[in-house]
Amino acid sequence: AQSVAQPEDQVNVAEGNPLTVKCTYSVSGNPYLFWYVQYPNRGLQFLLKYITGDNLVKGSYGFEAEFNKSQTSFHLKKPSALVSDSALYFCAVRDLSGTASKLTFGTGTRLQVTL
Amino acid sequence: KAGVTQTPRYLIKTRGQQVTLSCSPISGHRSVSWYQQTPGQGLQFLFEYFSETQRNKGNFPGRFSGRQFSNSRSEMNVSTLELGDSALYLCASSFRLAGGPDEQFFGPGTRLTVL
Repeated sequence: AQSVAQPEDQVNVAEGNPLTVKCTYSVSGNPYLFWYVQYPNRGLQFLLKYITGDNLVKGSYGFEAEFNKSQTSFHLKKPSALVSDSALYFCAVRDLSGTASKLTFGTGTRLQVTL
Repeated sequence: KAGVTQTPRYLIKTRGQQVTLSCSPISGHRSVSWYQQTPGQGLQFLFEYFSETQRNKGNFPGRFSGRQFSNSRSEMNVSTLELGDSALYLCASSFRLAGGPDEQFFGPGTRLTVL
């Protein structure tokens, strides 16, 4: 079975500082990995994905994520946080070796960026 | 290109009633997935439709059902509403199956309140 864990319910960071939102996954085979962001009263918006290739993936709004197969992690990062980055962030995984084709989402991490 | 639209945006029902939610995917997208989002359970997958066929189903009771039309528009129905069905219901579309490499595009959601 595939699963994804976001160990932090909330991450607090000051504007201008680097931010990291953690995600670890569990799959039998190779994974597809995604990050989405949700602003209040809105649906989820796609940020970036790892399918294959370079372990460092660059996405929207200056976000990037590093795929680490040995640590089964896919942490979301940004060099300099903005107050407008404050939102709920979801990591999602799909196990390519599984028969089910659905995505599994993590529980979400709330990012709070303060001045 | 218009995004995913969901109607209605807000709905208030009483226990025992039934409700139908509608989703129009991005033009050209053939996959529509439905998710339930609650503070306690997070994002939970309901089902996915592709080319009018249900391809995946989550762990929800039979009171939750859906369908997809030939124009890819989808509806989900919840019968005999319970208080615990109060949630934000999100629809997402993608060009290919949701478990593939394509990112999903989410609608703004329908906020269902059951009294």
